[in-house]
Amino acid sequence: EIVLTQSPGTLSLSPGERATLSCRASQSVSSSYLAWYQQKPGQAPRLLIYGASRRATGIPDRFSGSGSGTDFTLTISRLEPEDFAVYYCQQFGSSPYTFGQGTKLEIK
Amino acid sequence: QVQLQESGPGLVKPSGTLSLTCAVSGASISSSSWWSWVRQPPGKGLEWIGEIYHGGSTSYNPSLKSRVTISVDKSKNQFSLRLSSVTAADTAVYYCARRLFSSSWSIIDYWGQGTLVTVSS
Repeated sequence: EIVLTQSPGTLSLSPGERATLSCRASQSVSSSYLAWYQQKPGQAPRLLIYGASRRATGIPDRFSGSGSGTDFTLTISRLEPEDFAVYYCQQFGSSPYTFGQGTKLEIK
Repeated sequence: QVQLQESGPGLVKPSGTLSLTCAVSGASISSSSWWSWVRQPPGKGLEWIGEIYHGGSTSYNPSLKSRVTISVDKSKNQFSLRLSSVTAADTAVYYCARRLFSSSWSIIDYWGQGTLVTVSS
């Protein structure tokens, strides 16, 4: 099983700042099969990024993804108030399709 | 617009069986998609449970495999989850979802709203 470790656990930033979230895999994951989701309280996750760097439909261009192998990054260039949420990475490279434990992005 | 809606008992007794159904609208369950279940214990992260293809092929999380069955009902355009021998650790919000795939990517693009299942006597 591929273990995904996200860091930091909590990130405290202000609107307008840049956020950098990390997802590290216990073994190499094809970048084609790494996705990022945003989840707000009481809601289902929403797909942000797939294939490590492709934005899903309707996702603003302030969200970007990068990385390969075992190290992946989600960057939010300028935080908007609605971006404060929990973010998860997920790999589809091998079953079980594991999630990271999440990074909570909170308002400073 | 694809919509998924979970239904089933919100309370299950310990050692009992959790049964949920996901009704799919706006898409055929016989399309080239995998139909998935994901759960989230209160205040915790997401756990992939397993998935099914319309032909009946399944894939389960090894941590749950001995207790999980996912099935599909093409006539009703829905799929189901059964989890046996439940304990309090199975208390969670259960989501159904659609996974699309190609030779170069895979995504979960649509999710149900989620349903809370509590295991308690």
